[in-house]
Amino acid sequence: NAGVMQNPRHLVRRRGQEARLRCSPMKGHSHVYWYRQLPEEGLKFMVYLQKENIIDESGMPKERFSAEFPKEGPSILRIQQVVRGDSAAYFCASSPTAAEGTEAFFGQGTRLTVV
Amino acid sequence: GENVEQHPSTLSVQEGDSAVIKCTYSDSASNYFPWYKQELGKRPQLIIDIRSNVGEKKDQRIAVTLNKTAKHFSLHITETQPEDSAVYFCAAREAGNMLTFGGGTRLMVKP
Repeated sequence: NAGVMQNPRHLVRRRGQEARLRCSPMKGHSHVYWYRQLPEEGLKFMVYLQKENIIDESGMPKERFSAEFPKEGPSILRIQQVVRGDSAAYFCASSPTAAEGTEAFFGQGTRLTVV
Repeated sequence: GENVEQHPSTLSVQEGDSAVIKCTYSDSASNYFPWYKQELGKRPQLIIDIRSNVGEKKDQRIAVTLNKTAKHFSLHITETQPEDSAVYFCAAREAGNMLTFGGGTRLMVKP
């Protein structure tokens, strides 16, 4: 089991470009969570998805940000028209279910730098 | 929604001493409380967790206690070693919901 895989590990975008971050959950996991971590800060929840469904997107900005988790393939976090304030580490985590006491495993993260 | 407060934000101890990090949460429906360790530039890794039906759990030098009435839980690290130096995050989760993290504690263990 390869664990939660995120790519790319590092991504540099100019202001106004689009950023696409990918997350492949652990085998058998159908729940994916995206978190953002600003430098020297904690992990802030963005969005929670199950296959083909967004369960909770209360932490995701209403504009420019979107997420999906299609039936086939990885979960994608998409940031349109990036700004310098989007520079952060983006982590995804996966779990087999959302039941009590289900451990969430984190990927290595994607470090986005907007120049 | 859930709100998790974590203290202290930084903690410096001498090698061999104990370290204690405390967290409080707001939502009484939360029932799962993991602790993560994050080294510089790396992913958060689960080090110990506790469920709402348990008051204390221990794993070698690490222990966690939970007081559901007071809505707080603590991480205890005994006999600290330099490799324990990292940022530690507590989190709380309501059933079927996402993890809400505390702000983190930067632990520095001086040799």
